[in-house]
Amino acid sequence: DGGITQSPKYLFRKEGQNVTLSCEQNLNHDAMYWYRQDPGQGLRLIYYSQIVNDFQKGDIAEGYSVSREKKESFPLTVTSAQKNPTAFYLCASKNYGYTFGSGTRLTVV
Amino acid sequence: QKEVEQDPGPLSVPEGAIVSLNCTYSNSAFQYFMWYRQYSRKGPELLMYTYSSGNKEDGRFTAQVDKSSKYISLFIRDSQPSDSATYLCAARNTGNQFYFGTGTSLTVIP
Repeated sequence: DGGITQSPKYLFRKEGQNVTLSCEQNLNHDAMYWYRQDPGQGLRLIYYSQIVNDFQKGDIAEGYSVSREKKESFPLTVTSAQKNPTAFYLCASKNYGYTFGSGTRLTVV
Repeated sequence: QKEVEQDPGPLSVPEGAIVSLNCTYSNSAFQYFMWYRQYSRKGPELLMYTYSSGNKEDGRFTAQVDKSSKYISLFIRDSQPSDSATYLCAARNTGNQFYFGTGTSLTVIP
C-alpha cells in the first residue's frame, strides 16, 4: 500500500541535543511537507519541498532544518536552537490532496 | 484574519445524535474543500472532498459548502463512539495551496 511512514513514533530529546525525524513516502509525490501540531493551534507549516534538492521555509522554520536528497525521503532535524520543541510532528506529501503520516511525538526531557 | 476559521470545541454529544461541524473561510478563490478526521496520536486522514458549492454525501457523513456565505459544514448522522476524533476542515485554491482550520475535537458518548 502507498503511504507515508514516519519514525520513530515517540522521541525524547535532551536539552541541547539535535534529533532527526524520518519521513519516507512511496506515493511518488513530488511535494512533501512538515507540520507541527500543538493543542488549539492547528497545523503550522515548518518546511516544504516541491522537488528534490529544493526546499522552502514555512511559517515556523526557526530551529529546524531539512534535506531532500531523494524524492522518497524528507527528514526533519530539530536543532538545539528550537526552544520549545515538544509537539506532535506530521509529515505529508501532496498530489491533488494531502496524505499524512502517523506522526512523531517529540518530548524534551 | 486566518484564511480558514474553525471553532475548536470541544464538542460532546450522545451516541446517535446528529453532529454539525462548521468552518468559515475568507478567500472567495477557494474552489475545493475537504474534511480530515484525526484520531488521537494519529495523522489526519481525508474524510470528504467537495468541489465548489453543494452537498456531498458518503454514508453517515454529509459535506456542505455554501460559497455565498463562505461556510463549510460537515454533518454526521447517527453518531458513533468511533466518530470521536478531531475534525479539520481545509480549503484549496486553484494554485493547489491548502489552508487548514485548527480542528474541532468531537467526543461521542455511548
